[in-house]
Amino acid sequence: DVKVTQSSRYLVKRTGEKVFLECVQDMDHENMFWYRQDPGLGLRLIYFSYDVKMKEKGDIPEGYSVSREKKERFSLILESASTNQTSMYLCATSRGTTNEKLFFGSGTQLSVL
Amino acid sequence: GNSVTQMEGPVTLSEEAFLTINCTYTATGYPSLFWYVQYPGEGLQLLLKATKADDKGSNKGFEATYRKETTSFHLEKGSVQVSDSAVYFCALKNTGNQFYFGTGTSLTVIP
Repeated sequence: DVKVTQSSRYLVKRTGEKVFLECVQDMDHENMFWYRQDPGLGLRLIYFSYDVKMKEKGDIPEGYSVSREKKERFSLILESASTNQTSMYLCATSRGTTNEKLFFGSGTQLSVL
Repeated sequence: GNSVTQMEGPVTLSEEAFLTINCTYTATGYPSLFWYVQYPGEGLQLLLKATKADDKGSNKGFEATYRKETTSFHLEKGSVQVSDSAVYFCALKNTGNQFYFGTGTSLTVIP
């Protein structure tokens, strides 16, 4: 079975802290995505990557960066966490150029105090 | 641009009731359309999809038909069960690799 694993289910951080959210997949998928999910706003794309060391900005990249040093791992970094980054963060993957199906992790609920 | 609009929730139905969740989209070109479902405490998973006009996607008793003339992809089920309680997201994928999601509709089915 396809597996997308996010390192933490719940995370509490303080304003100004540097935060790392990790996502690991075991499916050898080329594409990886980071979304945030907020009530009334649905899913919004933060960053995505088509290959190792490649990254593309999504719709709301401000305040975030990403790293993809290995194919199976895609990290989301909050350089200096702020309260408006309190959200559910979802990692997703998909295969190749057809990209017709996303596989999601269970999400990380981040609270920034 | 590309966007998806789906009906506001929450929706509460009795078991065996008929379900419709409306979804309309705006897109250039010919997008693929999807319904994803998120059960409590889990990530989203694909429920069904349709890749061209007049296609019908179906899975687990759910159906949706790609209507180009009305730019719609409404989700329907004839008889819902308690286990269908979840959040449902309509989405589109256009040329390129980005998906665009609606805001989600929460469904609660009561026995």
